Amino acid sequence: EAQVTQNPRYLITVTGKKLTVTCSQNMNHEYMSWYRQDPGLGLRQIYYSMNVEVTDKGDVPEGYKVSRKEKRNFPLILESPSPNQTSLYFCASSASGTFYSYEQYFGPGTRLTVT
Amino acid sequence: GQQVMQIPQYQHVQEGEDFTTYCNSSTTLSNIQWYKQRPGGHPVFLIQLVKSGEVKKQKRLTFQFGEAKKNSSLHITATQTTDVGTYFCAGDNYGQNFVFGPGTRLSVLP
Repeated sequence: EAQVTQNPRYLITVTGKKLTVTCSQNMNHEYMSWYRQDPGLGLRQIYYSMNVEVTDKGDVPEGYKVSRKEKRNFPLILESPSPNQTSLYFCASSASGTFYSYEQYFGPGTRLTVT
Repeated sequence: GQQVMQIPQYQHVQEGEDFTTYCNSSTTLSNIQWYKQRPGGHPVFLIQLVKSGEVKKQKRLTFQFGEAKKNSSLHITATQTTDVGTYFCAGDNYGQNFVFGPGTRLSVLP
């Protein structure tokens, strides 16, 4: 079954404690992306990756890191989480074209609370 | 930077009524995508529009892409309770970053 998986699904942590949210896709997609969703703000892109070893900032990259060492995995790292990073996080993947991308497949989401 | 707006923010309709949400971008888009997110779920792809002036239909849903490729709309005819959710448009910046609109939350009263 084609899918995007994220772990953990729920996480409560304290300010400053480093954490990683994993994302994996089994569709051999080149493009992967991380979004955060906050009430009234919709989905905001944090980072995206066009392919292995190629990453770029989205609209809200501050406080986050990513890496793309393998095509299937795209972890999101919060080295020193703060309460304003409390949010619902989605990973997504898609095939990529020359001038536009294709449909994005979203993972189930990770609800993060930073106290 | 690029901004994508959607109106209305909320829409409450009686089952059987029509519904329309509008999406406007501050810049020209290479294409636009529409997603639906059910309460507690993740966004699910509905459709992608690429050509200027394009119109696509999926059963009761009609999608349009403006001539200038800066605006789009989603129209649902005769809403059903299964249409409940939040509808997002997403502008594609030529295969690179995506910018989502804030979404329109639709509730359907039976």
